[in-house]
Amino acid sequence: GDSVTQMEGPVTLSEEAFLTINCTYTATGYPSLFWYVQYPGEGLQLLLKATKADDKGSNKGFEATYRKETTSFHLEKGSVQVSDSAVYFCALIYNFNKFYFGSGTKLNVKP
Amino acid sequence: DSGVTQTPKHLITATGQRVTLRCSPRSGDLSVYWYQQSLDQGLQFLIHYYNGEERAKGNILERFSAQQFPDLHSELNLSSLELGDSALYFCASSAPGLDGNEQFFGPGTRLTVL
Repeated sequence: GDSVTQMEGPVTLSEEAFLTINCTYTATGYPSLFWYVQYPGEGLQLLLKATKADDKGSNKGFEATYRKETTSFHLEKGSVQVSDSAVYFCALIYNFNKFYFGSGTKLNVKP
Repeated sequence: DSGVTQTPKHLITATGQRVTLRCSPRSGDLSVYWYQQSLDQGLQFLIHYYNGEERAKGNILERFSAQQFPDLHSELNLSSLELGDSALYFCASSAPGLDGNEQFFGPGTRLTVL
């Protein structure tokens, strides 16, 4: 069945380190892929998205590329900040009625 | 602030009881989605309404039901509550249009079943 798998956390990094959070998916259709971020005590916010293969989504220094050949949508940032500490969710949505979220990866950035 | 409001913010109740969670979508959004976030199961899609009609169902229990009213606000009803229903319940909304539209999430309702 359809699913999203993302790396387990927590991920702990020092400020200015490079970040990668892995996300892979299985889908029978042609999904749009998303990364959402959840700051403590808040709802989810869209971080970036890509709607077709080879698209790159980017926002606030974060990037992810829709790789159909590897069914992946890994999140990267070149230099993390303490303010990036949050939980990150990978998600796939397609056919307007199928929504799958990963289990979330908690990121802790230390000064 | 996403523009999506949810009430109440916190709810504490006992097993066997029934509760209603309320969501008001962003102005102009026709779609409302409900999600359950629990510690051991991550974020689970429950149900989607579009302009008053049910569009998709996810992992929603038979004890749970939802509806979207003519003014587009939505309610999620949870009955015969069990300890395992304790979770954060999120509502999200999106604008009318094609698949791939961003979903805007509310701040959530934290339900504690004792």
